[in-house]
Amino acid sequence: GAVVSQHPSRVICKSGTSVKIECRSLDFQATTMFWYRQFPKKSLMLMATSNEGSKATYEQGVEKDKFLINHASLTLSTLTVTSAHPEDSSFYICSAPLGEETQYFGPGTRLLVL
Amino acid sequence: QKEVEQNSGPLSVPEGAIASLNCTYSDRGSQSFFWYRQYSGKSPELIMSIYSNGDKEDGRFTAQLNKASQYVSLLIRDSQPSDSATYLCAVGVSGGYNKLIFGAGTRLAVHP
Repeated sequence: GAVVSQHPSRVICKSGTSVKIECRSLDFQATTMFWYRQFPKKSLMLMATSNEGSKATYEQGVEKDKFLINHASLTLSTLTVTSAHPEDSSFYICSAPLGEETQYFGPGTRLLVL
Repeated sequence: QKEVEQNSGPLSVPEGAIASLNCTYSDRGSQSFFWYRQYSGKSPELIMSIYSNGDKEDGRFTAQLNKASQYVSLLIRDSQPSDSATYLCAVGVSGGYNKLIFGAGTRLAVHP
């Protein structure tokens, strides 16, 4: 079946550094991917829609200069958290739709900023 | 602001009972509705999707949709301890291709 992978699964970094998270669709192409953030005991919050070949679309309140998204190919989207701070510590999850009915989620990346 | 509301729970049911999870949404134009299960520390996995009014059954799971009332529910029959998880209701945004809005989730605890 369709699978979405994320790398890394877990990252710990110092405050002020940048962290890149990769999201790959393994056996299907995705012109669109979605990036979510989830804080403990909270629901998934959509951050942005990643569009292959064009700029990402950010949700209200999400800083596009802080969360850089690049959809380099039909199977890869990257999220870079720039100048990360402790409040950026969260569980970041990507998803990719297959057709109009199914959206597959990656396993998530847990980010801890010290 | 499009919203999806769920009771946070926890909903505690004995093993073998029926668990009933409810969700309401604000976007009248929504046409697609999903239930995801999320175990602690893991990403969501799709359980059911439903697009038209009425019931949809898949094994022990039944999704129910009432667009007039803007209400969607999930029934889990013969609940098992392994069903203990957080259940997320997700609603497709009208006009937003594949874009989903999630509820806060209902935590289900099935006790032996």
